[in-house]
Amino acid sequence: ILNVEQSPQSLHVQEGDSTNFTCSFPSSNFYALHWYRWETAKSPEALFVMTLNGDEKKKGRISATLNTKEGYSYLYIKGSQPEDSATYLCAFRGGSSNTGKLIFGQGTTLQVKP
Amino acid sequence: DVKVTQSSRYLVKRTGEKVFLECVQDMDHENMFWYRQDPGLGLRLIYFSYDVKMKEKGDIPEGYSVSREKKERFSLILESASTNQTSMYLCASSLTFGELFFGEGSRLTVL
Repeated sequence: ILNVEQSPQSLHVQEGDSTNFTCSFPSSNFYALHWYRWETAKSPEALFVMTLNGDEKKKGRISATLNTKEGYSYLYIKGSQPEDSATYLCAFRGGSSNTGKLIFGQGTTLQVKP
Repeated sequence: DVKVTQSSRYLVKRTGEKVFLECVQDMDHENMFWYRQDPGLGLRLIYFSYDVKMKEKGDIPEGYSVSREKKERFSLILESASTNQTSMYLCASSLTFGELFFGEGSRLTVL
C-alpha cells in the first residue's frame, strides 16, 4: 500500500508569519506530485503539479519544492495572510501515466490569525 | 469559468435508502472521479472513469456503484445507504492525467 504523509496535521500562525509544511511520498516509481488548496465551503483547487526532481514552483507568496529521490515536497507560504487559511493537500501519482490514480495525504490545515 | 457541479451540497438519508449523487463537468474531460473525505484521512478514491460507459474501482468501492452514460456526467450510487457511508463526497474531472478539477462536495448524513 502506497503511503503519502503530510505534516504537521494542523498549524496556527499569526498574520505575517512565514510557514512551511511537508509531504512525504514513495521515492520509487515517481510520476507526479500535486498540491491543492481547499478552503472551507469551496472546491479544492490545484496549486502546483510537479514532475521533475529539483523542481521549484511559485504562485504569488506560495512556493513548492520537490525531491523525488528522497520522496518529499515542501510547501512554503511567505507572509501568511488570513485568506491563506485552508487545508493543503498533496497527492502522489506513481508508475506510468495511465494509472490515473492519485494518492492523497491527509492534509495540513492552516489557520492564520489576524 | 470551468466548472464541476455536484447536484446536492447536503443530503440526509435513512439507512437502507438508495442514494444518487450526481456530478456534471463542462470541460469535455475524459476522466472523472469520485472521492470521499473523512476526518484524519486523505481523499480516498471510490471509483473513476476514463470514458463513457467505462468504470474502474478505486481503493474503497464496496457499497458503491457508478454510472457514466454521457461524457459530462458521472453518478455515484449507494444501493443501500449505511451509517458508515456518512461522509463528504467529492467529484473531480481531469484532462489526461493532469490536475484535478473538483466540485464543491456533497455532505451526506445517513441516519
